[in-house]
Amino acid sequence: AQSVTQLGSHVSVSEGALVLLRCNYSSSVPPYLFWYVQYPNQGLQLLLKYTTGATLVKGINGFEAEFKKSETSFHLTKPSAHMSDAAEYFCAVTLFGNEKLTFGTGTRLTIIP
Amino acid sequence: DAGITQSPRHKVTETGTPVTLRCHQTENHRYMYWYRQDPGHGLRLIHYSYGVKDTDKGEVSDGYSVSRSKTEDFLLTLESATSSQTSVYFCAISAQGRQNEQYFGPGTRLTVT
Repeated sequence: AQSVTQLGSHVSVSEGALVLLRCNYSSSVPPYLFWYVQYPNQGLQLLLKYTTGATLVKGINGFEAEFKKSETSFHLTKPSAHMSDAAEYFCAVTLFGNEKLTFGTGTRLTIIP
Repeated sequence: DAGITQSPRHKVTETGTPVTLRCHQTENHRYMYWYRQDPGHGLRLIHYSYGVKDTDKGEVSDGYSVSRSKTEDFLLTLESATSSQTSVYFCAISAQGRQNEQYFGPGTRLTVT
């Protein structure tokens, strides 16, 4: 069965600094990987996804993630943090043809003014 | 935003009482899901549906039942609520052929006293 591990339940960065949220996956076959964002008191919103093809994927709000098979990672980055990026971020994994997602435990991102 | 509504948005109930949460979609999507979100656990799948009257269990289905009599509605029932079912419940939908991409409702905060 596939799974994801998010390293760091809380991450704080200064406004304008690099954002790096870590996600490692476990899967015996090539996975599909996702990042979702959850703003306070809201549902989850799809940020970006990797299925096949280009390993660097770009999402909304300036975020991007790179699929690295050799490192079994799918870390989320943004070059310059903005106050509006404060939220909880979830990594998720599934397989081709599988209708179910498996979510990580989430990373809460705090932006320091 | 995907047309997903959940009702009620907040509910407080007593241990042992039955509770039904409703998810309604206007997208005519085939797949619907119920998750619970708890601190330290991320999102965990309770049940999902792949069509009218077609449902299956997720990883935390004990104590929950679901029904889907129409494409647009997916009901989650707690037959006899327990304090361990205090949580935030999210509904999600996805389309045929794009079942990896899930779109989430705003959530229902349930407190069992």
